[in-house]
Amino acid sequence: EAQVTQNPRYLITVTGKKLTVTCSQNMNHEYMSWYRQDPGLGLRQIYYSMNVEVTDKGDVPEGYKVSRKEKRNFPLILESPSPNQTSLYFCASSPDRVSNQPQHFGDGTRLSIL
Amino acid sequence: GEDVEQSLFLSVREGDSSVINCTYTDSSSTYLYWYKQEPGAGLQLLTYIFSNMDMKQDQRLTVLLNKKDKHLSLRIADTQTGDSAIYFCAGTSGNTGKLIFGQGTTLQVKP
Repeated sequence: EAQVTQNPRYLITVTGKKLTVTCSQNMNHEYMSWYRQDPGLGLRQIYYSMNVEVTDKGDVPEGYKVSRKEKRNFPLILESPSPNQTSLYFCASSPDRVSNQPQHFGDGTRLSIL
Repeated sequence: GEDVEQSLFLSVREGDSSVINCTYTDSSSTYLYWYKQEPGAGLQLLTYIFSNMDMKQDQRLTVLLNKKDKHLSLRIADTQTGDSAIYFCAGTSGNTGKLIFGQGTTLQVKP
């Protein structure tokens, strides 16, 4: 089954404790991205990747890092999480950015930073 | 900059039609999308329309696109309680593949 898988689905942690949210897709998609969803703001892009070893900042990249060492994986890293990063996070993928094919989303990761 | 606007809330009775509206500023998007988010769940792609089309129908869903007014709407016929969810419209912006989302419209369906 074609899917985007995020882990963990839920996490409660404390300020400053490094964490990684994993994202994996099995569709051989070139394009992957991370969004955060906050009430009243919709979804905003954090980082995106057009292919292996190619990543770039979205609209709200501060406090986040990403890597794309393999095509299927695109982890989101919070080196020193802070309470303002408490949010619902979504990973998405699509065949490529040029064709503007619909992006497939994971089920989301709810992070609470205390 | 690019912007997508939606009304925040819509309440309808079961069996009625629902119309969710969206306006956008960036007309370069090749496709425009409607996503559905049920409580505690991820984003489900409902339907999408190519930017050179005016209308697309898919079972109970009808998407209308008015490019001149930069207005997109989603009509759900015979709305059911299972349609209760948040609906997001989105378009792509620039050449980065970034999706720009509206704030989401919460659809409440009363029995």
